[in-house]
Order: sequence, then C-alpha cells, then structure tokens
Amino acid sequence: QVQLVQSGAEVKKPGASVKVSCKASGYTFTSYGISWVRQAPGQGLEWMGWISAYNGNTNYAQKLQGRVTMTTDTSTSTAYMELRSLRSDDTAVYYCARDLSWDSSSWYWFDPWGQGTLVTVSS
Amino acid sequence: EIVMTQSPATLSVSPGERATLSCRASQSVSSNLAWYQQKPGQAPRLLIYGASTRATGIPARFSGSGSGTEFTLTISSLQSEDFAVYYCQQYNNWYTFGQGTKLEIK
Repeated sequence: QVQLVQSGAEVKKPGASVKVSCKASGYTFTSYGISWVRQAPGQGLEWMGWISAYNGNTNYAQKLQGRVTMTTDTSTSTAYMELRSLRSDDTAVYYCARDLSWDSSSWYWFDPWGQGTLVTVSS
Repeated sequence: EIVMTQSPATLSVSPGERATLSCRASQSVSSNLAWYQQKPGQAPRLLIYGASTRATGIPARFSGSGSGTEFTLTISSLQSEDFAVYYCQQYNNWYTFGQGTKLEIK
C-alpha cells in the first residue's frame, strides 16, 4: 500500500536547523510530488511548499522563502525538508504528503500523509 | 493568496444526526476543493476531492457539494468515530487550508 514514513521527533535550539525525512513506498516515487505541511500546537494546517520528485522543481510558501529547502533522493524514494534559523514559533508537527502534482502547471489533493514529525524549538 | 474560511469553528451535534460544515473561498476555486478529517494525534485523512468525489474507502454518509466560492461537507448520520476536526483545502492555485471546524459530541 502507498505509505509515507517520516523520521523521528527532534528538539532544536533557536537558530539551529532541522532536516526531516519522508520515505515513500508502494508507488512510483518520480510520478508524483511531495508537499510539506506543518501544524503548530492546537492550530490549523499550514502549507510549506512542494517539490516534484520527477525533476526536483520546488515552490515554497512566501513566508518561508530563504529558510526552507526541499530535496529528494530518487534512489531511496525519500524526500527531505530542511528548515534553518529556527525560532520558537517553528515548533510544530511537520507532515509530508503525496501530491499528485508532478509539475507546477496543475495542482491536486494530498493523499496519503506521513505520520508527522514533531519539531520542538526551545532554548 | 486565496483565503479559505470555515464555519462554524465548533459544531456540536448528537450521534445519529446530520452535520453540515461550510467552507468559503475568497475567490473562485472552481471545483478544486478537498476535505480532510483529522483526529487527535493523527495525520489528516483525505475525505473528498473535486468538491464532491469521495476518496477510496470513505463511507457514503460523507458527501461534499458546491463550486466557485461556497462549499459544504455533510455527514448524514454521525457515528462516534466522526467526531474530529475537518479542514477544507483549495488546490486551484497552489494550496491553502481553512482554519478547521471541530465537530464535537452534543
């Protein structure tokens, strides 16, 4: 079955970086994209950005431009999200989700989602 | 950016009754709208896409309607497992989510 398995929880200090992984299985990785979504404690869902597993093209949410980098390793069907210069308000659960968009000309729903990775930013 | 607004923020309904959740877009998103269900401690789960198409394995008591800027998710007869938070998402121009509606037991 289609599955996304994310890396474990992280605790980071302000100013540090975090890199979360998302390993895909059960489908052809390069035929889809991966979107990343985060959820602060008790809050709603915030889309962070998208990467095409087909060609590596990316599109990031404007508020995260310059701090976030999304990459893929097609040899292991794994997507990565790195967030730099962490602040306390980056504390959240980070989700990856399979995105049917493999290019940026059209957009689709997310299915399935990874289990989430809690990133805590605290001094 | 397209802003998605869900109402109400919290909806209290008794088991067996019907629940109606609303989602409004700040500009037309055609039928490019999805609904997700999220239970505590779990990842969101896709319920509806294309405004009205149920995802694989989703019970028929879940239905979606609307187009343009006004959308509705209806749960016809609430089961205990349906009490959760529901999010709408537009995918007409990249992605934005509504702030969620918490469906609680009355």
